[in-house]
Amino acid sequence: GAGVSQSPRYKVAKRGQDVALRCDPISGHVSLFWYQQALGQGPEFLTYFQNEAQLDKSGLPSDRFFAERPEGSVSTLKIQRTQQEDSAVYLCASTTFRGPITEAFFGQGTRLTVV
Amino acid sequence: DQQVKQNSPSLSVQEGRISILNCDYTNSMFDYFLWYKKYPAEGPTFLISISSIKDKNEDGRFTVFLNKSAKHLSLHIVPSQPGDSAVYFCAAKVTLKLIFGQGTELSVKP
Repeated sequence: GAGVSQSPRYKVAKRGQDVALRCDPISGHVSLFWYQQALGQGPEFLTYFQNEAQLDKSGLPSDRFFAERPEGSVSTLKIQRTQQEDSAVYLCASTTFRGPITEAFFGQGTRLTVV
Repeated sequence: DQQVKQNSPSLSVQEGRISILNCDYTNSMFDYFLWYKKYPAEGPTFLISISSIKDKNEDGRFTVFLNKSAKHLSLHIVPSQPGDSAVYFCAAKVTLKLIFGQGTELSVKP
């Protein structure tokens, strides 16, 4: 596709349920980032991949959050035993550059609501 | 600890006038600053950036100014157009990450 694609666009989960959010980056983009955006706030860094290697996961808020990119293209962000404070928009971004995110392209995001 | 702050949650400007969006930061290790624009239900889109070694960068109607001594940057939009109405985020780069401010919602009225 022409841009970064995220699915689903919207997800409602019951507290305690596991969820998986998918990101299809732009073809050929080496770097992939996940961000979490709470209501009324700016995006907050979660994790970064260069190809299949997860180089930085310092932003993952707890061990319930897990991300993978096994073949260096599609990435999945998994949240186990969801809690209400996990409700947010989850944004994925990709870029051709190895590291600097100066002109990363963002997907539309997945809005997660935990009830 | 908010390293990047946008203290104005909203701004309203008349069409044709100048819009000035402000951003303050605390970390002197930031080496690049960016502005992103976000429409509802869409992801942020890159607008303009500036390296920490410069004090100004201009691209069409958009100019970003960096004042390192004050740890302050601003985005000027001249002239403002109704299509500029969106949420604007400033972001600062350190190592591989972008640190975002909270955003300022700009409304340009015809």
